[in-house]
Amino acid sequence: RKEVEQDPGPFNVPEGATVAFNCTYSNSASQSFFWYRQDCRKEPKLLMSVYSSGNEDGRFTAQLNRASQYISLLIRDSKLSDSATYLCAVKGGSARQLTFGSGTQLTVLP
Amino acid sequence: NAGVMQNPRHLVRRRGQEARLRCSPMKGHSHVYWYRQLPEEGLKFMVYLQKENIIDESGMPKERFSAEFPKEGPSILRIQQVVRGDSAAYFCASSQPGTGQSSGNTIYFGEGSWLTVV
Repeated sequence: RKEVEQDPGPFNVPEGATVAFNCTYSNSASQSFFWYRQDCRKEPKLLMSVYSSGNEDGRFTAQLNRASQYISLLIRDSKLSDSATYLCAVKGGSARQLTFGSGTQLTVLP
Repeated sequence: NAGVMQNPRHLVRRRGQEARLRCSPMKGHSHVYWYRQLPEEGLKFMVYLQKENIIDESGMPKERFSAEFPKEGPSILRIQQVVRGDSAAYFCASSQPGTGQSSGNTIYFGEGSWLTVV
């Protein structure tokens, strides 16, 4: 089983739609959780950190469910510019490095 | 706003040559990470370094790959005798010292070095 798993998609949604991604992790000792966004042939850019009960930033909401070992990302009122690959990342136990999921591809259609 | 700086951005090497990729972390960051992203795949952790120390190299291939972060100068990822399967994007990232829910938790990426082996 992979340490961090994501549905690869692709998710094709119309502008204005709400879309949700899930990510599961296997290491129950994981402490820190993040969502990154990666555009084609670009570096990953931090979208949100996810701590404790989750957090919200504008149209983006991230949730953490420790009991079921998953994190989610909700995007409301999606824009064309949201089209990208969304990577979840987990920092497990005492490790400082991040372990990434393989990413979920989102395309927002006009 | 000096972020994580990587060079070269693009590198072409023939099979059997050496590739050297350089990374300067963000100002104030003393922790460096190297990741590899093969075409159509996710980011795979390779190595984590602090100044003059390799902390975790569990993701490094056993042969041909090495990394260093000297006291002075950038971190270097070195690939000897490259093969076509080494063609990938190599991303460097950095973070501040600190643990838990502190600023040291956040890892920032450079723009990557795209290696093509022909």
